[in-house]
Amino acid sequence: KAGVTQTPRYLIKTRGQQVTLSCSPISGHRSVSWYQQTPGQGLQFLFEYFSETQRNKGNFPGRFSGRQFSNSRSEMNVSTLELGDSALYLCASSLGPNSPLHFGNGTRLTVT
Amino acid sequence: DQQVKQNSPSLSVQEGRISILNCDYTNSMFDYFLWYKKYPAEGPTFLISISSIKDKNEDGRFTVFLNKSAKHLSLHIVPSQPGDSAVYFCAAGRLANAGGTSYGKLTFGQGTILTVHP
Repeated sequence: KAGVTQTPRYLIKTRGQQVTLSCSPISGHRSVSWYQQTPGQGLQFLFEYFSETQRNKGNFPGRFSGRQFSNSRSEMNVSTLELGDSALYLCASSLGPNSPLHFGNGTRLTVT
Repeated sequence: DQQVKQNSPSLSVQEGRISILNCDYTNSMFDYFLWYKKYPAEGPTFLISISSIKDKNEDGRFTVFLNKSAKHLSLHIVPSQPGDSAVYFCAAGRLANAGGTSYGKLTFGQGTILTVHP
């Protein structure tokens, strides 16, 4: 069974631009979550989706948004990029309640 | 406010010996705990989990212990192998049937770098 797939693996953007990251969950998984990993803050929860509905959102500014499609694929968008948005963005999927998260290999975003 | 803490940034162990990784949490609402392993340039890989109704869960070489009164959990790896060298994260969340509304919201510790020497 294929794992969680994230595209692209690497991105370089300029401050002020916007970016869209994509995530395809494991087949059959309906829950998708997004995390940001930075050296200083570690892994921090961004938001999660289940059946196309955002169920929870972390403590991030409104510039960070996401959505989930009917096939459970998800995208996250960051607008008006700042230097501090440089991070590894990880997507995870799970079967649903009380099931462990399975992570993709992430998208490394660098903002210059 | 760091609700999940891994106080040891690194741990070095000889091959064949036991590795013990520790994690403390402060939020008493957490009732679901997981351990992940992460290699460079890869996402975290799920290892083992435990819910608060248990105090121990085993899966092969990996055992997780939960001490609810101390708000402490540990991961034991026996025997340790060089391929276990990675960053280990503990994570905590709430079970859906305990009133948690989130399936995918976990709070992670900062990680412990485990090095297993041949």
